[in-house]
Amino acid sequence: DAGVIQSPRHEVTEMGQEVTLRCKPISGHNSLFWYRQTMMRGLELLIYFNNNVPIDDSGMPEDRFSAKMPNASFSTLKIQPSEPRDSAVYFCASSMLGDTQYFGPGTRLTVL
Amino acid sequence: GDSVTQMEGPVTLSEEAFLTINCTYTATGYPSLFWYVQYPGEGLQLLLKATKADDKGSNKGFEATYRKETTSFHLEKGSVQVSDSAVYFCALNMNTGFQKLVFGTGTRLLVSP
Repeated sequence: DAGVIQSPRHEVTEMGQEVTLRCKPISGHNSLFWYRQTMMRGLELLIYFNNNVPIDDSGMPEDRFSAKMPNASFSTLKIQPSEPRDSAVYFCASSMLGDTQYFGPGTRLTVL
Repeated sequence: GDSVTQMEGPVTLSEEAFLTINCTYTATGYPSLFWYVQYPGEGLQLLLKATKADDKGSNKGFEATYRKETTSFHLEKGSVQVSDSAVYFCALNMNTGFQKLVFGTGTRLLVSP
């Protein structure tokens, strides 16, 4: 199994630009999670989906952030417009309902 | 709300030393408890878990026992190796059906030869 796949692995952009992060969960998993990791705030859950439906987006920082899961094998996290304080490592994780979460390698985002 | 508290790091040890990383939790019900490990440049990996009181999770020489009376889930290893250097996260899940994990802040472990 290829595990959770995230792209890109690194993204450098300028303030005000749109950023799109991508995630392919493990085949057969029906829950998907987006996390953000920073030195200041640690690991934060942004949003999670079950069967492609957003269940809890209370962790999404503000309206500049949006996430979609158009099908069971793909999800995106979009930031528009991006700001320097969005710089972080963004992780995607997937699981079968009620079971262990498997994390992707992360996308390191730098907003200049 | 539900929360996890871990000891501050970094924890610096010599190879073959005994390791303890403390973790306590606050929860209104009966959570499942987890330890995840993050190696440099990688995502988190499940290290071990316990789903009910007095359960002991173990993996790769690491152990943790779910102590309901002290609301703790301390991670231990009898003899650490340089390759154990990583960040360790304690987490809980309230078993509401969607496995929403609440993580501690992480503890960095540095093991020197």
